[in-house]
Amino acid sequence: EVQLLESGGELLHPGGSQRLSCVASGFTFSSYGMGWVRQSAGKGLEWVALISYNGGNTYYAESVKGRFIISRDNSKKTVYLRVNNVTVEDTAIYYCVKNWRPNRNFDAFELWGQGTVVVVS
Amino acid sequence: QSALTQPASVSGFPEQSITISCAGTSSDVGAYDYVSWYQHHPGKVPKLLIYDVSYRPSGIPYRFSGSKSGNTASLTISGLQTEDEADYYCCSYTNRNTCIFGTGTSVSVL
Repeated sequence: EVQLLESGGELLHPGGSQRLSCVASGFTFSSYGMGWVRQSAGKGLEWVALISYNGGNTYYAESVKGRFIISRDNSKKTVYLRVNNVTVEDTAIYYCVKNWRPNRNFDAFELWGQGTVVVVS
Repeated sequence: QSALTQPASVSGFPEQSITISCAGTSSDVGAYDYVSWYQHHPGKVPKLLIYDVSYRPSGIPYRFSGSKSGNTASLTISGLQTEDEADYYCCSYTNRNTCIFGTGTSVSVL
């Protein structure tokens, strides 16, 4: 089955850190750009970060640049998001997403995980 | 970088057509054909409806269509169904190698 399964969300204190994980199955993980999108309660979707299929390129939203780090391990079919120096504004559901086309970035997000919740309080 | 601008809400009767606009700039929507649309039922996972401005992934009903003119993209739902009641978001690639979502539109079926 084609799916993404996130984990790692938890309650953090302001200034804290955590690593979110997303395990993929059912497709050739190493061929696709992967990313993270978040949604705060009562607010819209916000793109957070994206990593190219081979990990050679990473991209970040201005709101998280310098604080969050996206990485991947193609041998484990896993993409990570390290969230550092968090603030209350980082409280959200964090969705792992798969890019639409192989070997490309940003064209569309075809597959979404169920999300993992990060609460900063 | 601010979110793309969408109307907060749009409503229509069953079988009517509605259109949701997504206003951007010459740095995002107007510059690239990487505009996508997502349907999000609260409590569920967002679903890709449209990619590359106007293409539907397999399994997406024909009543969903996308277009773009200048810096504004649009999603049209022709023949509105009760199950279309959801939140809708546009998304565009930008010239800063980022992705920007729209503010979101809540669609109500009257």
